[in-house]
Amino acid sequence: EADIYQTPRYLVIGTGKKITLECSQTMGHDKMYWYQQDPGMELHLIHYSYGVNSTEKGDLSSESTVSRIRTEHFPLTLESARPSHTSQYLCASSRGQATYEQYFGPGTRLTVT
Amino acid sequence: SQQGEEDPQALSIQEGENATMNCSYKTSINNLQWYRQNSGRGLVHLILIRSNEREKHSGRLRVTLDTSKKSSSLLITASRAADTASYFCATGTITQGGSEKLVFGKGTKLTVNP
Repeated sequence: EADIYQTPRYLVIGTGKKITLECSQTMGHDKMYWYQQDPGMELHLIHYSYGVNSTEKGDLSSESTVSRIRTEHFPLTLESARPSHTSQYLCASSRGQATYEQYFGPGTRLTVT
Repeated sequence: SQQGEEDPQALSIQEGENATMNCSYKTSINNLQWYRQNSGRGLVHLILIRSNEREKHSGRLRVTLDTSKKSSSLLITASRAADTASYFCATGTITQGGSEKLVFGKGTKLTVNP
């Protein structure tokens, strides 16, 4: 098991609420990623960070935002949740290049009603 | 656009049989990786094969890479019920501008029946 944690594991929330999905890793990895995955589908990169105070948008446009104030912590925030945000969100980290092995957290399954 | 594409989309076999999954991709790569995802969980890295390698083994896993055909295969020998999961290939590329990418395919859903 990788030392990367996500909370909450499941979240059901109403439209318009602000939410923060937490992700933390204890491996000292500089690079961290957020992916969005719909059931039975591929992963889409929505945000990544190559180190503290560095964040970039991924290939899939997302209304979420991220921050990287500490190496081990990479939270994702949705200011106003909508039903279209319903999905699974996976956090990952890697020790070197983004093309190296990535370690994944267990995911947060978000449902917006 | 999607880089890796797995085939078949779903595969159902009996315990003890071998399972073969294929992945095709479109552009040049630095490496290709295979991951497993149990239902509702995160992905677990299985194996990485570099673009200058042709075959790699890890336990019951055998991965091949044919860069001329832009394809890879994952073979799981003597499958077990615990191998039931979705398997994803991911292609690692580094662009001329230095941008690093790991792009995942849609996955193959493997069911191993006891």
